[in-house]
Amino acid sequence: DAKTTQPPSMDCAEGRAANLPCNHSTISGNEYVYWYRQIHSQGPQYIIHGLKNNETNEMASLIITEDRKSSTLILPHATLRDTAVYYCIVRGGSSNTGKLIFGQGTTLQVKP
Amino acid sequence: DTGVSQNPRHKITKRGQNVTFRCDPISEHNRLYWYRQTLGQGPEFLTYFQNEAQLEKSRLLSDRFSAERPKGSFSTLEIQRTEQGDSAMYLCASSTERGTDTQYFGPGTRLTVL
Repeated sequence: DAKTTQPPSMDCAEGRAANLPCNHSTISGNEYVYWYRQIHSQGPQYIIHGLKNNETNEMASLIITEDRKSSTLILPHATLRDTAVYYCIVRGGSSNTGKLIFGQGTTLQVKP
Repeated sequence: DTGVSQNPRHKITKRGQNVTFRCDPISEHNRLYWYRQTLGQGPEFLTYFQNEAQLEKSRLLSDRFSAERPKGSFSTLEIQRTEQGDSAMYLCASSTERGTDTQYFGPGTRLTVL
């Protein structure tokens, strides 16, 4: 089972920031938080990942709470092309082969 | 572009036929994963290779499914005696244990069993 909880859907106005929350209250110390997104009928696209520090790249920012039990993915200026299903995944651990366990994700609808 | 490639992109077959899909990972990625995704669900892990060794298989991988990675480069996934329930998107991802081991996915193969 997925170790994360995400809202099933969210709306965002084009040009505004999209803030996607994720709860991972059972995360262990050596597990990473990964975010992927999947645009209809395409393969999942890697966005960003982090362990405990906030991370930023050209696509998004990842804010992880100090207790690491939740995180937020931020798309700073959402466009219509950001409409997709966003998956928050906890991955890692010494005995983990690295497989990703996907939940239902959050369907983000960016509206004009 | 040297991303993960998958062929064919679409496959329509009749129930009972055998099908084979191919995945070419990113060059020098020694880890390769297969996932299956049915409509409205997130991808589900099927199997994992490190180099040519198949190190993990999901319970979803019935005895009609077989995956190989003979030389540690490309991989094939074969489904024998296909059933309508096998209709899904089959996704391949690759990664390298050097660095962050981030998985990058291919575009997938859409299988429809009639």
